[in-house]
Amino acid sequence: AQTVTQSQPEMSVQEAETVTLSCTYDTSESNYYLFWYKQPPSRQMILVIRQEAYKQQNATENRFSVNFQKAAKSFSLKISDSQLGDTAMYFCAFMKHRSFGNEKLTFGTGTRLTIIP
Amino acid sequence: DADVTQTPRNRITKTGKRIMLECSQTKGHDRMYWYRQDPGLGLRLIYYSFDVKDINKGEISDGYSVSRQAQAKFSLSLESAIPNQTALYFCATSEASGSSYNEQFFGPGTRLTVL
Repeated sequence: AQTVTQSQPEMSVQEAETVTLSCTYDTSESNYYLFWYKQPPSRQMILVIRQEAYKQQNATENRFSVNFQKAAKSFSLKISDSQLGDTAMYFCAFMKHRSFGNEKLTFGTGTRLTIIP
Repeated sequence: DADVTQTPRNRITKTGKRIMLECSQTKGHDRMYWYRQDPGLGLRLIYYSFDVKDINKGEISDGYSVSRQAQAKFSLSLESAIPNQTALYFCATSEASGSSYNEQFFGPGTRLTVL
């Protein structure tokens, strides 16, 4: 079974600064997907960024980027030029490649990020 | 209109009551999921359905049942609610395409409190 660990329950950073959220995972699979989801106070789950394990290049979406270290099973999220709207709970999640079976998301416990004005 | 809707959005009930949470989607997706979110535990999968005739247990199915009434509707029932079922419940959907990955789209969540 897969496990996802987020060791930072809470973080805070000043507006416009850069912040990095950590995530580690454990799996015996060779091909899989990793995700970061954002959950603002509205409760909506919003997909921020996705990384495919067989791609060495780190994914980037505007101010959001990841540092994917497959051998270390590490998948951190960097938020650059942080904005007040980035205040949310962030979840790291894992999904096996569909060729390996059913597509189910395994989530970490979340990191509550607060952007300070 | 939202693609994935959940009713009710908030519900308070008493121990022992039967509760049904409903999920509807207009995305035309075959696959539907129910997750539960608890503080400090993240989201955990309760049940999932890959089509109307295919329903599977997730990691925490005890105390829950589901019904897939149609492609677009997937209901979660608590036959006899207990306080430790107090949580935020999410429905999600995804396609069953031939690609290697199918994104899951989440509903707005239902906050359930069992007194």
